[in-house]
Amino acid sequence: AQSVTQLGSHVSVSEGALVLLRCNYSSSVPPYLFWYVQYPNKGLQLLLKYTSAATLVKGINGFEAEFKKSETSFHLTKPSAHMSDAAEYFCAVSPQGRGAQKLVFGQGTRLTINP
Amino acid sequence: DGGITQSPKYLFRKEGQNVTLSCEQNLNHDAMYWYRQDPGQGLRLIYYSQIVNDFQKGDIAEGYSVSREKKESFPLTVTSAQKNPTAFYLCASGGQERKPQHFGDGTRLSIL
Repeated sequence: AQSVTQLGSHVSVSEGALVLLRCNYSSSVPPYLFWYVQYPNKGLQLLLKYTSAATLVKGINGFEAEFKKSETSFHLTKPSAHMSDAAEYFCAVSPQGRGAQKLVFGQGTRLTINP
Repeated sequence: DGGITQSPKYLFRKEGQNVTLSCEQNLNHDAMYWYRQDPGQGLRLIYYSQIVNDFQKGDIAEGYSVSREKKESFPLTVTSAQKNPTAFYLCASGGQERKPQHFGDGTRLSIL
């Protein structure tokens, strides 16, 4: 069975500071990994994905994540936080394959940006 | 523009009532999904469909039903058997061949 753990349900950083959102996964098969962002009362928007190509993945809005197999981690980072980054962030995992993706989500991390 | 449309945005259910949430996509995706979102619990998969006229249960299917008569449409019915239906419901499509799933803007269901 797959699972995802996001460390920290709430993270608060100052504007301009480094953003680090942690995600650890467990999977018995090589996984696909995703980070999504959700703004209030909206659906999820894809930030970036890992599908077994480069381990350092760059996404939208200046975010990136590094796949570390030895640590079973896929942490999300952004060098300099902006007020517009305030949202909820979800890490998700699915097994590699050609069929429908049965995504398993972490519980989410709410990011607050302090002016 | 291509995308996923969920309606209504807000829905209220009376005791003992079945309600149906609509999800339509014009992305030409074969696969579609329904998720339930509760505060602090992330998203949980209710049902998914890989192709027309076929669907499978997800992790929390009890009290829900779906149909997939058209490629573009995947409605979700919340039945009276679902005793705790208050949640935010998200529909998604895609997610095959390494591609990510695309999400609609959700329907918030509450109990009257």
